[in-house]
Amino acid sequence: EAQVTQNPRYLITVTGKKLTVTCSQNMNHEYMSWYRQDPGLGLRQIYYSMNVEVTDKGDVPEGYKVSRKEKRNFPLILESPSPNQTSLYFCASSWRLGQYMPGELFFGEGSRLTVL
Amino acid sequence: GESVGLHLPTLSVQEGDNSIINCAYSNSASDYFIWYKQESGKGPQFIIDIRSNMDKRQGQRVTVLLNKTVKHLSLQIAATQPGDSAVYFCAENLNTNAGKSTFGDGTTLTVKP
Repeated sequence: EAQVTQNPRYLITVTGKKLTVTCSQNMNHEYMSWYRQDPGLGLRQIYYSMNVEVTDKGDVPEGYKVSRKEKRNFPLILESPSPNQTSLYFCASSWRLGQYMPGELFFGEGSRLTVL
Repeated sequence: GESVGLHLPTLSVQEGDNSIINCAYSNSASDYFIWYKQESGKGPQFIIDIRSNMDKRQGQRVTVLLNKTVKHLSLQIAATQPGDSAVYFCAENLNTNAGKSTFGDGTTLTVKP
């Protein structure tokens, strides 16, 4: 089954304790991206990757890191989480529609993170 | 900067009626638009897309209309069903924007039985 898998789905942590949210897709998609979703603010892009070893900042990259060592995986790293990073996070993947443009996004089920 | 906005945050319709969800975008250079549906507790799911060289595209019970003159996008759902209750987002892609997708705030559709 074609899918994007995120782990963990739920996590409560404390300020400053490094954490990684994993994302894996089995569709051989080149493009992957991370979003956070907050009430009243919609989906905001954190980082994206057009292909292996190619990553770029989205609209809200501060406090996050990513890596793309393999095509299927795109982990999101919070080196020193803070309470303002409490949010619902979504990973998504897509084929490339054009040189820069992703096609339809396939989303994971989301990871709800609470930072105390 | 670019933005994609929805006219109404909520919409309530009677089961069986048609629904129209609207979206305005600000960048006339936008190439590609997508509508997503997000059910409670789930990730967004693709509904339908349209490229900027088209005015209309139809799917199963859904139609997307694109009016480039006024930079307006709409999603029409025919014979709305309770299972259509969800949050609907429009998303905008620009070929010159190197991989960035911009999402609107979402419209919550509630279908009354």
